Order: sequence, then structure tokens, then C-alpha cells
Amino acid sequence: AQTVTQSQPEMSVQEAETVTLSCTYDTSESDYYLFWYKQPPSRQMILVIRQEAYKQQNATENRFSVNFQKAAKSFSLKISDSQLGDAAMYFCAYKEDSNYQLIWGAGTKLIIKP
Amino acid sequence: GAVVSQHPSRVICKSGTSVKIECRSLDFQATTMFWYRQFPKKSLMLMATSNEGSKATYEQGVEKDKFLINHASLTLSTLTVTSAHPEDSSFYICSARAGEETQYFGPGTRLLVL
Repeated sequence: AQTVTQSQPEMSVQEAETVTLSCTYDTSESDYYLFWYKQPPSRQMILVIRQEAYKQQNATENRFSVNFQKAAKSFSLKISDSQLGDAAMYFCAYKEDSNYQLIWGAGTKLIIKP
Repeated sequence: GAVVSQHPSRVICKSGTSVKIECRSLDFQATTMFWYRQFPKKSLMLMATSNEGSKATYEQGVEKDKFLINHASLTLSTLTVTSAHPEDSSFYICSARAGEETQYFGPGTRLLVL
């Protein structure tokens, strides 16, 4: 069965600095999708970034980028120029190409220090 | 685009009563919607997958007679918690599938059963 592991329960970073959140997953599939979702204190789940496994190029969305290492089954999220509004729980999620369900990691709480 | 609304945002009810939560995709048609439950400081737990015009598929351990799901149109799914008890108090989140791989989430409903 597929699993998603986020090994960092909590991370903190100084405002304006860069932080990297880790995510590893286990699968025997070759086609799948990976996601990072953000859940701020409002508890609204917001899509941050998405990566298709067949794409070698790492996805980027403004200050958010991923380091996708397919062979290592690693999918880390880098947040550059951290802002106070980035404080939230960050969840990594996996989806098979043929299945609609998301497999979730346990989440990483990101604290931004002013 | 890809906005999902959820109503109500919070509800308090007496034990033994039923509560209905609505999930709407506002700017797209969603053939598939998902209902999750989230415990404090935990990841999302999938309860059921709702397909328009057909019966919902429930995850193992989720009582289908207690959590009634109806997906009557391409933009509306409802979750009814029947005969609610204090242990049903939780945060319920819906999501809707937009396209083939991405889920967009509603803002969630806080249910408190007294």
C-alpha cells in the first residue's frame, strides 16, 4: 500500500529566510501525482503546488518550489522569502494516476518567527 | 476558479438530532466529491467518495447509515450526520475533483454535539 511520510512534525524559520519541508512516499506505481497543501489556522485546505511524476522538471509557484526525486521517492517543498502568512500546517499528498483518492502525510507545522 | 463552498461553517446541536452539511462547487462541475473528517492536529481521514447520481462509497469503519451522503447534482453534495452524539463532534471537510487529478477543498464545518 502507498504511504506518505512527513518526518518533521514542526519546523520554524525566521521571516524572509528559506525553509524546506520533507516528504517521502512509497509506491510501486510509475504514474502518479504529488501535492503540497497548506492548512492555515482558518483550517481551509489550500493547494500550494502539484507535481506530475512523469515530468522531470520541478514544479514552481512563485516562492514555492519542489525538489522531486523520483528514484528516491522524495518530494520536498522549499519556501523562499518566508512570510508570516506562510505559518500553517503543510500536508504532502500522493495520488495514483488511476485512483481519485489522496494518501496524506501526517503534516508539518511551520512556524514563522518575526 | 475551482472554488468550493461549505455550509454551515459551524453548528452546535443536541445529542440525537440530525445535522446536514452542504458542499458546493461554485465555478465548476464536480462529478466526484469527497468527505473527510479531521481530528485536532491530525491529517484528513477520508470518510466517503461521492459520485453524482450514484451511491457513495464509504471507507472501512465509516457507518453509512449514520453518515448519509447525497450527490444529487454536479455541484452539490450533502452529508447528513444522523442521530448525532458527542463523539461525532469534529471538523468535517469536503472536496471536489476538478479535472483528473486535483481536489479543491471547502472551508470545513465544525460540528459540536452537546
